[in-house]
Amino acid sequence: AQTVTQSQPEMSVQEAETVTLSCTYDTSESNYYLFWYKQPPSRQMILVIRQEAYKQQNATENRFSVNFQKAAKSFSLKISDSQLGDTAMYFCAFMIRGNTPLVFGKGTRLSVIA
Amino acid sequence: EAQVTQNPRYLITVTGKKLTVTCSQNMNHEYMSWYRQDPGLGLRQIYYSMNVEVTDKGDVPEGYKVSRKEKRNFPLILESPSPNQTSLYFCASSPAGTSEHRWYFGAGTRLSVL
Repeated sequence: AQTVTQSQPEMSVQEAETVTLSCTYDTSESNYYLFWYKQPPSRQMILVIRQEAYKQQNATENRFSVNFQKAAKSFSLKISDSQLGDTAMYFCAFMIRGNTPLVFGKGTRLSVIA
Repeated sequence: EAQVTQNPRYLITVTGKKLTVTCSQNMNHEYMSWYRQDPGLGLRQIYYSMNVEVTDKGDVPEGYKVSRKEKRNFPLILESPSPNQTSLYFCASSPAGTSEHRWYFGAGTRLSVL
C-alpha cells in the first residue's frame, strides 16, 4: 500500500521569504504522480503543482517549485516570495498511473506573517 | 464551466436520520471518488467508482453507501449517521484514458451529526 508522510504539522514564514514543505512517500510502483494541493480557509482543494515520476526535471509553477528525489522518495514544495494569500493547509498526494484515487498526507498548515 | 458540484454545502442532522450528499460532474469523467477530511488525519478515501455500476471500497467505507447509476452522478448515502461521521466530505472526478492525470474536487460538504 502507498503511504504519504508530511512531518511538519505547522509552519510559518515571513512575507516575501521562502519556505519549504516536506513530503515523503512509500511505494513499490515505478510509474506514479505526485501532487501538492492547497486548501485555503474556504476549504476548496486547489491543485498547486504536479510531478510525473518518470520525468527527472522538477516541476515549477510561478512561485511554486518542487524538489523531487525519486530514489529517496521525497517530494518537497518550495514557495518563493511568500504572500499572505499563501496562508493555507497544504496536502501532499500520490497517485498511481491510471488515475487511481489519491492517497494524501495529513497536511501542513502554513501561516504567512506580515 | 467544468466543475464538480456537491450538495448540500452544509448539513446538520441527528443520529440515525438517513441522508444523502449528492455529487455531480459535467466533464464526462469515468472515475469518481469520495473522501472525508478530519483534523490531523488528512483526506481519506471512502469509496471509488471506475464507471457506471462499478464501485470499490476505499480506506474508510464503514457506515457509507454509494451508487453510480449514471456517469455524472455519484451520491454518498449515510443510512444511519452517527456522531463519528461528523466531517468535511469531498467528491472528486477524473478522466480515464487521457494524459490528464489529475482529480477535480467539489467545494466540500460540512456535515455535523448530533
